[in-house]
Amino acid sequence: KAGVTQTPRYLIKTRGQQVTLSCSPISGHRSVSWYQQTPGQGLQFLFEYFSETQRNKGNFPGRFSGRQFSNSRSEMNVSTLELGDSALYLCASSPDPGGSPLHFGNGTRLTVT
Amino acid sequence: GENVEQHPSTLSVQEGDSAVIKCTYSDSASNYFPWYKQELGKRPQLIIDIRSNVGEKKDQRIAVTLNKTAKHFSLHITETQPEDSAVYFCAASYGNQFYFGTGTSLTVIP
Repeated sequence: KAGVTQTPRYLIKTRGQQVTLSCSPISGHRSVSWYQQTPGQGLQFLFEYFSETQRNKGNFPGRFSGRQFSNSRSEMNVSTLELGDSALYLCASSPDPGGSPLHFGNGTRLTVT
Repeated sequence: GENVEQHPSTLSVQEGDSAVIKCTYSDSASNYFPWYKQELGKRPQLIIDIRSNVGEKKDQRIAVTLNKTAKHFSLHITETQPEDSAVYFCAASYGNQFYFGTGTSLTVIP
């Protein structure tokens, strides 16, 4: 089975721009969640989607949004980028929202200049 | 919401010694506690997990213990090897919302 695939691997943007990150979950996994990883803060929960519905949202500003498609693929969008948004964005999938293990992708490294 | 604290933030051990990483959580509703290992430049990978109806789980050199009353759980690695060097994250979850600790950077000195 192919693992969780995230594209692109690296992104460099300037302040004020917007960015879209993509995540393809493991085949058969319907739950997709997103995390922001920074050196000092560890993994911070952004949001979780199941069956195209956002079930949970972390404590991030409204500039961070996401969606899930009928094939379970998910996208995450960040608008009006700030320097502090520079981080590794990890997507994780699981078969269902019932506390199953998360399977992470390799992440998208976003640098905002 | 849930708050997970993880200690220590860095840990160095001699090869062959044991390593212990501890986490505490705040929400008694949390019922699933996985541990992830992240090597430099790689994705976090699940190494062991435990559910709230179990007190201890072991997989070869790795074990996890859970004390629901005290709301803490620990990762134990015995006979450490250089390839165990990585950052380890604990997490607590209810449903599919996971809260992670800030990580422990483990270095195993040959």
